[in-house]
Amino acid sequence: RKEVEQDPGPFNVPEGATVAFNCTYSNSASQSFFWYRQDCRKEPKLLMSVYSSGNEDGRFTAQLNRASQYISLLIRDSKLSDSATYLCVVKGSGGSNYKLTFGKGTLLTVNP
Amino acid sequence: EAGVTQFPSHSVIEKGQTVTLRCDPISGHDNLYWYRRVMGKEIKFLLHFVKESKQDESGMPNNRFLAERTGGTYSTLKVQPAELEDSGVYFCASSLDGIQPQHFGDGTRLSIL
Repeated sequence: RKEVEQDPGPFNVPEGATVAFNCTYSNSASQSFFWYRQDCRKEPKLLMSVYSSGNEDGRFTAQLNRASQYISLLIRDSKLSDSATYLCVVKGSGGSNYKLTFGKGTLLTVNP
Repeated sequence: EAGVTQFPSHSVIEKGQTVTLRCDPISGHDNLYWYRRVMGKEIKFLLHFVKESKQDESGMPNNRFLAERTGGTYSTLKVQPAELEDSGVYFCASSLDGIQPQHFGDGTRLSIL
Protein backbone atom coordinates (compact mmCIF):
# COMPACT_ATOMS: atom_id res chain seq x y z
CA ARG A 1 0.00 0.00 0.00
CA LYS A 2 1.34 3.44 -0.93
CA GLU A 3 2.13 5.77 1.96
CA VAL A 4 0.01 8.57 0.50
CA GLU A 5 -2.79 7.92 -1.97
CA GLN A 6 -4.75 10.52 -3.87
CA ASP A 7 -7.62 10.61 -6.34
CA PRO A 8 -5.95 9.77 -9.65
CA GLY A 9 -7.84 12.42 -11.62
CA PRO A 10 -7.59 14.30 -13.84
CA PHE A 11 -10.36 16.71 -12.94
CA ASN A 12 -11.84 19.04 -15.55
CA VAL A 13 -14.23 21.62 -14.16
CA PRO A 14 -15.80 24.87 -15.39
CA GLU A 15 -14.88 28.19 -13.83
CA GLY A 16 -16.86 28.79 -10.67
CA ALA A 17 -17.22 25.12 -9.83
CA THR A 18 -16.43 23.57 -6.46
CA VAL A 19 -13.92 20.77 -6.56
CA ALA A 20 -12.78 18.39 -3.82
CA PHE A 21 -9.57 16.40 -3.57
CA ASN A 22 -9.23 13.39 -1.31
CA CYS A 23 -6.16 11.78 0.16
CA THR A 24 -5.40 8.94 2.56
CA TYR A 25 -2.15 8.13 4.34
CA SER A 26 -0.97 4.83 5.75
CA ASN A 27 1.25 5.79 8.70
CA SER A 28 -0.82 6.71 11.74
CA ALA A 29 2.31 8.23 13.34
CA SER A 30 2.47 10.97 10.70
CA GLN A 31 2.69 14.37 12.29
CA SER A 32 2.08 17.12 9.76
CA PHE A 33 -0.01 17.41 6.65
CA PHE A 34 0.04 19.75 3.70
CA TRP A 35 -1.36 20.50 0.29
CA TYR A 36 1.16 21.65 -2.30
CA ARG A 37 0.39 22.81 -5.81
CA GLN A 38 2.66 22.29 -8.77
CA ASP A 39 2.34 24.10 -12.05
CA CYS A 40 3.57 22.40 -15.19
CA ARG A 41 7.38 22.04 -15.12
CA LYS A 42 7.66 24.15 -11.99
CA GLU A 43 8.50 23.44 -8.39
CA PRO A 44 5.97 22.26 -5.80
CA LYS A 45 4.73 25.22 -3.76
CA LEU A 46 3.11 25.03 -0.37
CA LEU A 47 -0.59 25.84 -0.70
CA MET A 48 -1.61 25.29 2.89
CA SER A 49 -0.97 23.25 5.98
CA VAL A 50 -3.78 21.02 7.22
CA TYR A 51 -4.82 21.09 10.86
CA SER A 52 -7.03 18.70 12.83
CA SER A 53 -9.60 21.40 13.43
CA GLY A 54 -9.82 22.14 9.72
CA ASN A 55 -8.63 25.39 8.24
CA GLU A 56 -9.63 27.81 5.55
CA ASP A 57 -7.70 30.24 3.40
CA GLY A 58 -9.97 32.22 1.14
CA ARG A 59 -11.56 29.84 -1.34
CA PHE A 60 -9.55 26.89 -0.04
CA THR A 61 -10.60 24.64 2.85
CA ALA A 62 -8.51 21.78 4.18
CA GLN A 63 -9.67 19.06 6.54
CA LEU A 64 -7.91 16.29 8.42
CA ASN A 65 -9.43 13.21 10.00
CA ARG A 66 -6.72 11.44 11.97
CA ALA A 67 -8.95 8.52 12.93
CA SER A 68 -9.64 7.75 9.27
CA GLN A 69 -6.18 8.93 8.14
CA TYR A 70 -7.90 11.08 5.57
CA ILE A 71 -7.11 14.55 4.24
CA SER A 72 -9.19 16.69 1.94
CA LEU A 73 -8.96 19.96 0.04
CA LEU A 74 -11.97 21.88 -1.18
CA ILE A 75 -11.69 24.68 -3.72
CA ARG A 76 -14.74 26.89 -4.09
CA ASP A 77 -15.49 29.23 -6.99
CA SER A 78 -12.59 27.81 -8.98
CA LYS A 79 -10.56 30.14 -11.20
CA LEU A 80 -8.59 29.48 -14.36
CA SER A 81 -5.44 30.13 -12.34
CA ASP A 82 -6.26 27.20 -10.05
CA SER A 83 -5.30 24.83 -12.88
CA ALA A 84 -2.35 22.83 -11.55
CA THR A 85 -1.44 19.50 -9.99
CA TYR A 86 -2.42 19.27 -6.32
CA LEU A 87 -0.11 17.21 -4.16
CA CYS A 88 -1.10 15.70 -0.82
CA VAL A 89 1.97 15.67 1.41
CA VAL A 90 2.60 14.06 4.77
CA LYS A 91 5.51 14.76 7.07
CA GLY A 92 6.95 12.66 9.82
CA SER A 93 6.27 9.17 8.57
CA GLY A 94 8.60 6.31 7.80
CA GLY A 95 10.83 6.96 10.80
CA SER A 96 11.87 10.46 9.82
CA ASN A 97 10.54 13.64 11.37
CA TYR A 98 11.62 15.81 8.48
CA LYS A 99 11.10 14.13 5.19
CA LEU A 100 8.03 14.87 3.11
CA THR A 101 6.09 11.98 1.62
CA PHE A 102 4.12 12.91 -1.49
CA GLY A 103 1.09 11.50 -3.20
CA LYS A 104 1.21 11.23 -6.99
CA GLY A 105 -0.87 14.35 -7.36
CA THR A 106 -4.20 15.14 -8.96
CA LEU A 107 -4.27 17.30 -12.07
CA LEU A 108 -6.96 19.98 -12.10
CA THR A 109 -7.92 21.89 -15.22
CA VAL A 110 -10.37 24.74 -14.83
CA ASN A 111 -12.04 25.59 -18.13
CA PRO A 112 -13.51 28.96 -19.18
CA GLU B 1 15.07 37.01 -0.94
CA ALA B 2 16.40 34.58 -3.53
CA GLY B 3 14.71 31.21 -3.55
CA VAL B 4 16.24 27.79 -3.87
CA THR B 5 18.22 27.64 -7.10
CA GLN B 6 19.25 24.53 -8.95
CA PHE B 7 21.69 24.04 -11.77
CA PRO B 8 21.49 22.89 -14.47
CA SER B 9 17.80 23.12 -15.28
CA HIS B 10 18.20 20.33 -17.84
CA SER B 11 20.86 17.71 -18.41
CA VAL B 12 21.00 15.07 -21.11
CA ILE B 13 23.78 12.50 -20.83
CA GLU B 14 24.53 9.01 -22.03
CA LYS B 15 24.33 5.93 -19.90
CA GLY B 16 27.60 5.39 -18.07
CA GLN B 17 28.52 9.06 -17.87
CA THR B 18 28.72 11.16 -14.73
CA VAL B 19 26.50 14.10 -13.89
CA THR B 20 26.64 16.53 -10.98
CA LEU B 21 23.62 18.53 -9.92
CA ARG B 22 23.92 21.61 -7.76
CA CYS B 23 21.55 23.20 -5.29
CA ASP B 24 21.88 26.58 -3.59
CA PRO B 25 19.45 26.79 -0.68
CA ILE B 26 17.84 29.94 0.64
CA SER B 27 20.46 31.89 2.57
CA GLY B 28 20.47 30.94 6.24
CA HIS B 29 18.60 27.67 5.76
CA ASP B 30 20.48 24.96 7.61
CA ASN B 31 18.25 22.16 6.36
CA LEU B 32 18.62 20.97 2.79
CA TYR B 33 16.77 18.11 1.14
CA TRP B 34 16.98 16.25 -2.15
CA TYR B 35 13.94 14.65 -3.75
CA ARG B 36 13.34 13.09 -7.13
CA ARG B 37 10.40 12.31 -9.35
CA VAL B 38 10.73 9.57 -11.93
CA MET B 39 8.16 9.44 -14.72
CA GLY B 40 4.76 8.25 -13.62
CA LYS B 41 5.69 8.12 -9.95
CA GLU B 42 5.36 10.38 -6.97
CA ILE B 43 8.09 12.72 -5.71
CA LYS B 44 10.31 10.72 -3.37
CA PHE B 45 12.73 11.76 -0.65
CA LEU B 46 16.41 11.07 -1.21
CA LEU B 47 18.28 12.64 1.68
CA HIS B 48 18.45 15.40 4.27
CA PHE B 49 21.34 17.59 5.41
CA VAL B 50 21.56 19.72 8.49
CA LYS B 51 24.40 22.10 7.71
CA GLU B 52 27.13 19.84 6.34
CA SER B 53 25.95 16.66 8.07
CA LYS B 54 23.81 13.99 6.47
CA GLN B 55 20.88 13.36 8.82
CA ASP B 56 18.98 10.86 6.75
CA GLU B 57 20.02 9.29 3.46
CA SER B 58 17.53 6.45 3.59
CA GLY B 59 16.05 7.43 0.23
CA MET B 60 19.24 7.25 -1.79
CA PRO B 61 18.66 4.53 -4.41
CA ASN B 62 22.15 3.00 -4.44
CA ASN B 63 25.83 3.80 -4.15
CA ARG B 64 25.97 5.39 -7.59
CA PHE B 65 24.50 8.48 -5.92
CA LEU B 66 26.70 10.72 -3.78
CA ALA B 67 25.51 13.90 -2.11
CA GLU B 68 27.74 16.43 -0.44
CA ARG B 69 27.34 19.73 1.31
CA THR B 70 30.81 20.90 2.13
CA GLY B 71 30.79 24.01 4.29
CA GLY B 72 27.08 23.70 4.89
CA THR B 73 26.07 26.01 2.06
CA TYR B 74 25.35 24.64 -1.41
CA SER B 75 24.96 20.94 -2.09
CA THR B 76 25.87 18.68 -4.98
CA LEU B 77 24.35 15.39 -6.03
CA LYS B 78 26.56 13.26 -8.26
CA VAL B 79 25.37 10.26 -10.21
CA GLN B 80 28.20 8.00 -11.37
CA PRO B 81 27.77 6.05 -13.57
CA ALA B 82 24.33 7.13 -14.73
CA GLU B 83 21.79 4.46 -15.66
CA LEU B 84 18.60 4.74 -17.70
CA GLU B 85 16.38 4.45 -14.61
CA ASP B 86 18.00 7.56 -13.12
CA SER B 87 16.07 9.77 -15.53
CA GLY B 88 13.66 12.10 -13.79
CA VAL B 89 13.34 15.47 -12.13
CA TYR B 90 15.59 16.10 -9.14
CA PHE B 91 14.29 18.66 -6.69
CA CYS B 92 16.16 20.38 -3.92
CA ALA B 93 14.41 22.02 -0.98
CA SER B 94 15.54 23.95 2.04
CA SER B 95 14.07 25.03 5.34
CA LEU B 96 15.17 27.17 8.24
CA ASP B 97 14.79 24.27 10.63
CA GLY B 98 13.04 20.91 10.70
CA ILE B 99 9.69 22.47 11.57
CA GLN B 100 9.45 25.33 9.07
CA PRO B 101 8.04 24.70 5.58
CA GLN B 102 10.34 23.34 2.90
CA HIS B 103 10.83 25.59 -0.12
CA PHE B 104 11.58 23.88 -3.39
CA GLY B 105 13.75 24.76 -6.33
CA ASP B 106 12.56 24.41 -9.93
CA GLY B 107 14.33 21.08 -10.26
CA THR B 108 16.85 19.60 -12.66
CA ARG B 109 15.43 17.48 -15.46
CA LEU B 110 17.86 14.64 -16.02
CA SER B 111 17.60 12.47 -19.10
CA ILE B 112 19.81 9.42 -19.54
CA LEU B 113 20.05 8.13 -23.08
